[in-house]
Amino acid sequence: QSALTQPPSASGSPGQSVTISCTGTSSDVGGYSYVSWYQQHPGKAPKLIIYEVNKRPSGVPDRFSGSKSGNTASLTVSGLQGEDEADYYCSSYALSSKLGVFGTGTRVTVL
Amino acid sequence: EMQLLESGGGLAQPGGSLRLSCVASGFTFDNYAMSWVRQAPGKGLERVSSITGSAFDTYSADSVKGRFTISRDNSRNTLYLQMNSLRVEDTAVYYCATYKSYYHHVWGTGTTVTVSS
Repeated sequence: QSALTQPPSASGSPGQSVTISCTGTSSDVGGYSYVSWYQQHPGKAPKLIIYEVNKRPSGVPDRFSGSKSGNTASLTVSGLQGEDEADYYCSSYALSSKLGVFGTGTRVTVL
Repeated sequence: EMQLLESGGGLAQPGGSLRLSCVASGFTFDNYAMSWVRQAPGKGLERVSSITGSAFDTYSADSVKGRFTISRDNSRNTLYLQMNSLRVEDTAVYYCATYKSYYHHVWGTGTTVTVSS
């Protein structure tokens, strides 16, 4: 099972929005509503910020939003803040793997 | 508060073995499937193994199949990963995490495994 494709990097100024894409196939991202997103600060464990495409766990700011169109899922961070500077990973259920698949990861820089 | 705490990492020689443990607290452990997810230095996340709440079913990545075994003791609220025939490429931070509806809600802080001669 190949990893989902994410851009290596993205950036924005404080207050701006940044959108990260996560591209898979009809056998994973495109076929199911089981896309999740994780935020990871350097040296820290990942943290769930979006599940089931567009749901936010309790405590996650509504500046984080998720969506999906076809085989591509997206994470948008609105009103960028310095604390949003981190690595972001998508993940999806995959028909061919009981373990699902992670994305390649995107480093977000706040300029 | 739901918490997970891993232990058991360290330095092992190629071909050696280690057993990782993950103690859960703050939730009903056997209600949750669990996973081990690893991250090699400077690399992305890789889901290594998963196990259902009852331990009836287990799943492992091809990269560790036949070498790593996931298990759990629900009476001790503890998840395990027995790692045998370790390779240099198994060097990583290993996280345990809850697994529900194909996402990981709660993560431990991780334990570092280094395989080197």
